[in-house]
Amino acid sequence: DAKTTQPPSMDCAEGRAANLPCNHSTISGNEYVYWYRQIHSQGPQYIIHGLKNNETNEMASLIITEDRKSSTLILPHATLRDTAVYYCIVRVGRSSNYKLTFGKGTLLTVNP
Amino acid sequence: GAVVSQHPSWVICKSGTSVKIECRSLDFQATTMFWYRQFPKQSLMLMATSNEGSKATYEQGVEKDKFLINHASLTLSTLTVTSAHPEDSSFYICSASPGGASGSYNEQFFGPGTRLTVL
Repeated sequence: DAKTTQPPSMDCAEGRAANLPCNHSTISGNEYVYWYRQIHSQGPQYIIHGLKNNETNEMASLIITEDRKSSTLILPHATLRDTAVYYCIVRVGRSSNYKLTFGKGTLLTVNP
Repeated sequence: GAVVSQHPSWVICKSGTSVKIECRSLDFQATTMFWYRQFPKQSLMLMATSNEGSKATYEQGVEKDKFLINHASLTLSTLTVTSAHPEDSSFYICSASPGGASGSYNEQFFGPGTRLTVL
């Protein structure tokens, strides 16, 4: 699986949009971009994933560049409960057998 | 979304004893379950992948005789840490994937984790 690069930490004001970048310049055509987050001392939580097109769900939006070498996770109105480590992961396919390789992620701190 | 539980949520044991951690998928059948370990201020490290009814596949460097994994049913996987030592103290997290026709995207759903402290 391709490696990803994320900033180690970011701050965001409560109520503002949080934009978390991820570089995956070596991504191949059959790899998906997944985002998970981990609140302190809890298991990771799935947020969103995409292949080529931008995606949106009730939690977030995922913007993938046309060349697919980078993506941005957008939390439109960050709350204090969004403070967590956010992991960007690229993974081949959607088979249940494919493992996730976690990097160091980005610690997002939402400030009041 | 799909719910995965772990039991116990935390455990303290003496060095040399064995500890069993259970991972259950509560509202779906999990053909594949994964076990991760996370040390303080570090990321999750995959330990092994288990498929129901077959032997687990361990990641490089993980001792299969020390970390016994059993995936006997589609809703339960267990991790047994045998002869635990203080260096095995960690946060153990499982995940489960529906797989097959029932899994819309086959993403992994994670349990809440088990904090193991070996004295």
